[in-house]
Amino acid sequence: SQQGEEDPQALSIQEGENATMNCSYKTSINNLQWYRQNSGRGLVHLILIRSNEREKHSGRLRVTLDTSKKSSSLLITASRAADTASYFCATDADDYKLSFGAGTTVTVRA
Amino acid sequence: KAGVTQTPRYLIKTRGQQVTLSCSPISGHRSVSWYQQTPGQGLQFLFEYFSETQRNKGNFPGRFSGRQFSNSRSEMNVSTLELGDSALYLCASSSEFEETQYFGPGTRLLVL
Repeated sequence: SQQGEEDPQALSIQEGENATMNCSYKTSINNLQWYRQNSGRGLVHLILIRSNEREKHSGRLRVTLDTSKKSSSLLITASRAADTASYFCATDADDYKLSFGAGTTVTVRA
Repeated sequence: KAGVTQTPRYLIKTRGQQVTLSCSPISGHRSVSWYQQTPGQGLQFLFEYFSETQRNKGNFPGRFSGRQFSNSRSEMNVSTLELGDSALYLCASSSEFEETQYFGPGTRLLVL
């Protein structure tokens, strides 16, 4: 079973617009990570936010974490065609194991 | 540093056969994890190894096994293949000092 659930499942936006996706999880965590996957290839780590952090930025990425609601959001600002990918949240629900959500597929239209 | 490498990249097998997939972690990383990705089940954790010891295992049948060698390279084996084993198998390595996992490109297995 998956620890995290992303919402929406799919998102289509125009180049230059912002993309927001959400992740909800079930159990207590030490940290939450976001990964990107391009077209069935390996995952690329984007950002990690610890349970005692509320917001984190990295370039055009902004991640928030609300442990009381067991949810996180990923915002990509000023999207580009290269941002077209699937995005996954992952939690360390168990020792030495990441549990991934189902992912949000983002399509950026030129 | 070279990234995580996985071999082979593509594999076609028939039901009942067995398969061995290989993963070489980033130099210096001693933890290797394996995941199965399918359209229906998403990313599912298979197992994690650190210094040749399995520290955690996912909810998969005993047909799925793995091992890690002293140089941290890892292999996973699937015996008596079933059609449902068709998937992208991803390997990831991490350092003992950080939680980030670095993924390889995956091995795409097709079982006919």
